[in-house]
Formats: sequence, structure tokens, C-alpha cells
Amino acid sequence: NAGVTQTPKFRVLKTGQSMTLLCAQDMNHEYMYWYRQDPGMGLRLIHYSVGEGTTAKGEVPDGYNVSRLKKQNFLLGLESAAPSQTSVYFCASSTTPDTQYFGPGTRLTVL
Amino acid sequence: KQEVTQIPAALSVPEGENLVLNCSFTDSAIYNLQWFRQDPGKGLTSLLLIQSSQREQTSGRLNASLDKSSGRSTLYIAASQPGDSATYLCAVGGAGNMLTFGGGTRLMVKP
Repeated sequence: NAGVTQTPKFRVLKTGQSMTLLCAQDMNHEYMYWYRQDPGMGLRLIHYSVGEGTTAKGEVPDGYNVSRLKKQNFLLGLESAAPSQTSVYFCASSTTPDTQYFGPGTRLTVL
Repeated sequence: KQEVTQIPAALSVPEGENLVLNCSFTDSAIYNLQWFRQDPGKGLTSLLLIQSSQREQTSGRLNASLDKSSGRSTLYIAASQPGDSATYLCAVGGAGNMLTFGGGTRLMVKP
């Protein structure tokens, strides 16, 4: 039982490049979330999903897209990366909104 | 819009001391409040979850209280140990399955 895993762990992009972050969970959770964490700040919700095939916007959705084609996977895409998207990205999953289980994070640098 | 503030931003104490971390929030219409622990380069681990109808929760040396009317929560750590050194995040659960996080308190417990 791996819990929540994130791929990749680190990535460096140039401005304008695109990439996809993968989150996978093996706990059969309905809810999945993508957050970003900037230095000295708490986590901010980017997008979330309440089930396979559904997505919804969080607090800071601009510049990101998501997809939940399979229940166990939640993908976060950056179509045209900007330096302001340099951050640590965390994925989480849960059976209810109360108790979220977090992945180890992806550290993204956009030059 | 819910805003969550944690004071102090950083705290250094000698081993064995009892300490209190503070969290305040602006909108008292919450579903629950959680305290998380984050170790450097790692994801978040949930420590305590207090439902809106509860006043406090305890786990081992940790005790969290909630006063919805004043918009405050405290995390009390008894007999602190060097292994307690980490960043502690407070998160408020609100409508729309969203957690709003505070900026965290970085705790260092010196041997």
C-alpha cells in the first residue's frame, strides 16, 4: 500500500514549456486535490476532483488544467510554464473532505 | 473569503518545555479544523482533526482546542522533544470540500 505517490519529484522547466504532474493513490479514494506551497505560505488549492471524470476549480486555478480519467490518478498540467509557477506541488486524496492524505510533493522550478 | 493566520511564524524552545501554537481564522462558519505536521522536503501528516461541534481533541502529548466564536485554535505540545521539530500547519475546512491553510509555525526544539 503505497498511499499517495507523485511523479516526478523534481523538475526544472524553461518559461513557455509544458509538463504534466502525475498523482496516483491506491486507497480507492473518491476525492483528490492539487495544492501549491510557496515559501512562508500555507498550501493553496489549485483544482480538485470529487470522483472519476469530475474536476473543479480551487483558489488559484489560473494557468493549470487537470484531468481525472481514472479514479486512482489525478493529473495536473501546465500548458505554458511561467516563473510565477515555481513552487512545491502537493497532491492529496480522501474518502471525505475531512481527512486528506498527502503525497511527498513535486518541486518545480521555472526559469 | 476565509483567512487563516498562524502566530508565531517561528519558535525555538529548549527540550522539555511545554508550548502553544496559535491559529486564528476570520470566518467562524467552518466544518472542522485540522493541525498538520510537515517535515522538511516531505508531505503533510495530519495530527488532529476537530469537528465544528467539538471543543478539543487529544493525541498523546498533543492537545488541540477550538473556539469557533472567537475564531481561534491552539495546539498544545507537552514536554517537547527534538523530534517535534517541524513546521506545524493549521487548516480550516469550509464549504466546497476546501481546506484553507495558515502559513505555518516553524518549530525547533533544542536538545
